[in-house]
Amino acid sequence: DQQVKQNSPSLSVQEGRISILNCDYTNSMFDYFLWYKKYPAEGPTFLISISSIKDKNEDGRFTVFLNKSAKHLSLHIVPSQPGDSAVYFCAASAYGQNFVFGPGTRLSVLP
Amino acid sequence: EPEVTQTPSHQVTQMGQEVILRCVPISNHLYFYWYRQILGQKVEFLVSFYNNEISEKSEIFDDQFSVERPDGSNFTLKIRSTKLEDSAMYFCASRGLAGGPNTGELFFGEGSRLTVL
Repeated sequence: DQQVKQNSPSLSVQEGRISILNCDYTNSMFDYFLWYKKYPAEGPTFLISISSIKDKNEDGRFTVFLNKSAKHLSLHIVPSQPGDSAVYFCAASAYGQNFVFGPGTRLSVLP
Repeated sequence: EPEVTQTPSHQVTQMGQEVILRCVPISNHLYFYWYRQILGQKVEFLVSFYNNEISEKSEIFDDQFSVERPDGSNFTLKIRSTKLEDSAMYFCASRGLAGGPNTGELFFGEGSRLTVL
């Protein structure tokens, strides 16, 4: 039962353009969402979060949008840089319980 | 910047042997977690720990697994009798209170790679 889905296993974007990473969830009890970036052989690194009382959160080049009715969130990276190339995980939590991770999307930013 | 540290970075063991993976969470954090990632698969929750007891565990975390916070700084994951399918990258994570358990990001360690032969 995949509660958190990231339907695109990979995404390629030109440097300077926008990267949009999508995440869908099925559990309507999820109320807190995180995005993590992961390089090979390293632990996940926190990028940005959003709680269900908001529909947008912005931090520098990273913006997360939450559409609760569609149970969908997206991460926008503008402008994309080659150093952004990594696997991006969406994670969701319900009322402080453990975080459920999506399968990840591998982003490649091409110079 | 404070960080979560894990040891060993890589351990190779024979099937049936006991393994202990160690983690030092960030010092003022109160929630502790173990996750694992089998090669090519997604990051999976194993167990969460708060106030010196397990607060939640997944179906992966069976009787072969245990966690302990023996001395107030270390947080360990023990696998009593390893199986081939336990081979994975194990990540420790911690989180502060900062507004309650439903806020604040998880800080992950670099991971411990376990290879069971």
